[in-house]
Amino acid sequence: EAQVTQNPRYLITVTGKKLTVTCSQNMNHEYMSWYRQDPGLGLRQIYYSMNVEVTDKGDVPEGYKVSRKEKRNFPLILESPSPNQTSLYFCASSLQGGTGELFFGEGSRLTVL
Amino acid sequence: RKEVEQDPGPFNVPEGATVAFNCTYSNSASQSFFWYRQDCRKEPKLLMSVYSSGNEDGRFTAQLNRASQYISLLIRDSKLSDSATYLCVVNPYNQGGKLIFGQGTELSVKP
Repeated sequence: EAQVTQNPRYLITVTGKKLTVTCSQNMNHEYMSWYRQDPGLGLRQIYYSMNVEVTDKGDVPEGYKVSRKEKRNFPLILESPSPNQTSLYFCASSLQGGTGELFFGEGSRLTVL
Repeated sequence: RKEVEQDPGPFNVPEGATVAFNCTYSNSASQSFFWYRQDCRKEPKLLMSVYSSGNEDGRFTAQLNRASQYISLLIRDSKLSDSATYLCVVNPYNQGGKLIFGQGTELSVKP
């Protein structure tokens, strides 16, 4: 089954404790992207990757890091999480970059205390 | 001004009604436009792409108005199952991977 898988789905953590949200897709898509969704603000793009070893900042990259060492994986790293990073995070992939259909993971709800 | 703006609603309509949403975008060079549907904090799913000539998929019609810089979504004969949030998405540069989402329009279809 074609899918985008995120883990963990739910996480409560404390300020400053490094964490990684993994994202994996099995569709051989070149493009992958991370979003956060907050009430009243919609989805905002954090980082995206057009291909392996190519990553670019979206609109809200501060406090996040990403890497794309393999085509299928695109982890999101919070080196020192803060409460303002409490949010619902979505990973997505696409065959055609920013002009094609995005396939989203089920989301990761992160709470930073 | 936000790059992509939508009326957040909610739009409360009876079953069978016709309802329309608009989405305005600020970058006149934008070339790629989409409507996504999101159910109750689940992942968004593509509803339809929006083409210059307009396009229709069953009860759903999408239109692009470049002169006024907006896209629209028309839903005819609303069903209870249409209740969701509809997200407008714009690729402002037509290349690369940057995508801008509107904050979404909430639709509630009542019996």
